[in-house]
Amino acid sequence: AQSVAQPEDQVNVAEGNPLTVKCTYSVSGNPYLFWYVQYPNRGLQFLLKYITGDNLVKGSYGFEAEFNKSQTSFHLKKPSALVSDSALYFCAVSGSARQLTFGSGTQLTVLP
Amino acid sequence: DAGVIQSPRHEVTEMGQEVTLRCKPISGHNSLFWYRQTMMRGLELLIYFNNNVPIDDSGMPEDRFSAKMPNASFSTLKIQPSEPRDSAVYFCASRGTAGEKLFFGSGTQLSVL
Repeated sequence: AQSVAQPEDQVNVAEGNPLTVKCTYSVSGNPYLFWYVQYPNRGLQFLLKYITGDNLVKGSYGFEAEFNKSQTSFHLKKPSALVSDSALYFCAVSGSARQLTFGSGTQLTVLP
Repeated sequence: DAGVIQSPRHEVTEMGQEVTLRCKPISGHNSLFWYRQTMMRGLELLIYFNNNVPIDDSGMPEDRFSAKMPNASFSTLKIQPSEPRDSAVYFCASRGTAGEKLFFGSGTQLSVL
């Protein structure tokens, strides 16, 4: 069975500082990895994905994620956080089963 | 494209009543997913269709829940009878091909009193 762990329920960071939201995964075979963001009362929106190729993936709104196969991690990063980045972030994995399994989510709060 | 369309946006009903949630996926997408989101359990996959055929319904909580996809442009999730513990936000999502991103609808906020 495939699974995703987001060890932090809440991440607080000051505006302008770098941010990291952590994610580790477990899946059979090569993983398809995704990050999604959810704003209040909205559906999830796609940020970025890793399928193959460069371990550093760049996505929407200045976000990037680093795939680390040995650590089975796919942490989300941004060099300089904005207050408007405050939202709920979900990591997800898809393997041979093809359905997407989501982590429990991390609430990011960027403080002005 | 209008994206994934879900209706209704909000549904308030009484325990024991039948509830039907509706979803129109993005045209051309051949996979459709129903998820449920609660504070306690996070985002749970309920059922997944590929080419209108249910592939994995292991996430459907119990027999009170059923889902159909009669054609490529429409799916329903039905709860009969509904219970207060079914209160949640139900999301529908669609995808073109395996490995590609999911597009989510705005969700249906269900409250069962």
